[in-house]
Amino acid sequence: GAGVSQTPSNKVTEKGKYVELRCDPISGHTALYWYRQSLGQGPEFLIYFQGTGAADDSGLPNDRFFAVRPEGSVSTLKIQRTERGDSAVYLCASSAQPGLAPNEQFFGPGTRLTVL
Amino acid sequence: GENVEQHPSTLSVQEGDSAVIKCTYSDSASNYFPWYKQELGKRPQLIIDIRSNVGEKKDQRIAVTLNKTAKHFSLHITETQPEDSAVYFCAAPVVAGGTSYGKLTFGQGTILTVHP
Repeated sequence: GAGVSQTPSNKVTEKGKYVELRCDPISGHTALYWYRQSLGQGPEFLIYFQGTGAADDSGLPNDRFFAVRPEGSVSTLKIQRTERGDSAVYLCASSAQPGLAPNEQFFGPGTRLTVL
Repeated sequence: GENVEQHPSTLSVQEGDSAVIKCTYSDSASNYFPWYKQELGKRPQLIIDIRSNVGEKKDQRIAVTLNKTAKHFSLHITETQPEDSAVYFCAAPVVAGGTSYGKLTFGQGTILTVHP
């Protein structure tokens, strides 16, 4: 079956612009995570969805970042008024219902965002 | 929150040698410890994971050991091959209220180079 997909694979934008990054999780996976990975670093948690609701958005850096998952499947990460410091690879991951014990997270290929 | 420290940051070995990467974590309630392999420009992929009810798990040339008392876990790769060259990340979940929904804190990564 298809894995996690993300579009676009690369996004170059100018400082101050608005961008949307899309994640299509594995079918049937209820848990969806967004991470951000800067060069030479491990992924850093941004937000977690269980179904349609954002169960934990504590990793979002500020109010310029927002994410939605309206139908409990595809998710969109939205960044307003982009800054050069937002440049990174944005990774999406999904997993089956974690319940009391976490399950394997399957990562997408990421979107490389470059803010000029 | 969870704090994960990973060492070494770089590791260079000759083909056929063993490689060991170590991680420590801070939250004694953490109960799941995955290891991810990330090749240049690719997505992180799970190579092995261990839950807190076991001390060791092995899968062919890869093994992970867990010491809950000391709060550290290690990745062991035996008979290394050039294709093992990649960045390896350990991770541990944030546990809140006795449950973990899989929000992962990652280590800083280890660049493993296996020389033919």
